[in-house]
Amino acid sequence: SQQGEEDPQALSIQEGENATMNCSYKTSINNLQWYRQNSGRGLVHLILIRSNEREKHSGRLRVTLDTSKKSSSLLITASRAADTASYFCATAGNKLTFGGGTRVLVKP
Amino acid sequence: DAGVIQSPRHEVTEMGQEVTLRCKPISGHDYLFWYRQTMMRGLELLIYFNNNVPIDDSGMPEDRFSAKMPNASFSTLKIQPSEPRDSAVYFCASSLAGGGNTQYFGPGTRLTVL
Repeated sequence: SQQGEEDPQALSIQEGENATMNCSYKTSINNLQWYRQNSGRGLVHLILIRSNEREKHSGRLRVTLDTSKKSSSLLITASRAADTASYFCATAGNKLTFGGGTRVLVKP
Repeated sequence: DAGVIQSPRHEVTEMGQEVTLRCKPISGHDYLFWYRQTMMRGLELLIYFNNNVPIDDSGMPEDRFSAKMPNASFSTLKIQPSEPRDSAVYFCASSLAGGGNTQYFGPGTRLTVL
């Protein structure tokens, strides 16, 4: 069964807008990771946040983690058409477990 | 580094045929993972290896699937006999030191079983 569940399943925004997606999980974790998958490609690691961290930034990406609510969010600021992809959260215990993903469409 | 290499990139075969997918992990990575991705089931972990030894194969759907890692730089996933429901994209990924660490994915093999 999937550990992480992303919300929403799909998101459509205009270029320049921010995109926010959420991930909820059920059991305790060591870390939580976000990956991007462009159509027809493999997953690419974006950012890792450890269980003792609350927020992390990487370029236009901002990730938050609330272990009390067992949830995380990924914010992409000033989106670009090239950000069109599926985004997956993955929770890490003794192995990574991926959620179902959020499909993001950024319209030029 | 060339990243994780998978071959073939596309495979079309007929039901009942044997299919072998290949993976070369990133040099120095000691964990290797095989995933299957479909629209219906999402991304599923099939099996993973640590130092060439299978650690968890609980995701392997049935006995028709087998995976080997004869050395640190090569792994195969074999389906024999193949069935139409095996049609999916199969990914190989590798990581350094730990199942919960960052994983690096290959480009995938798109398998179509007719």
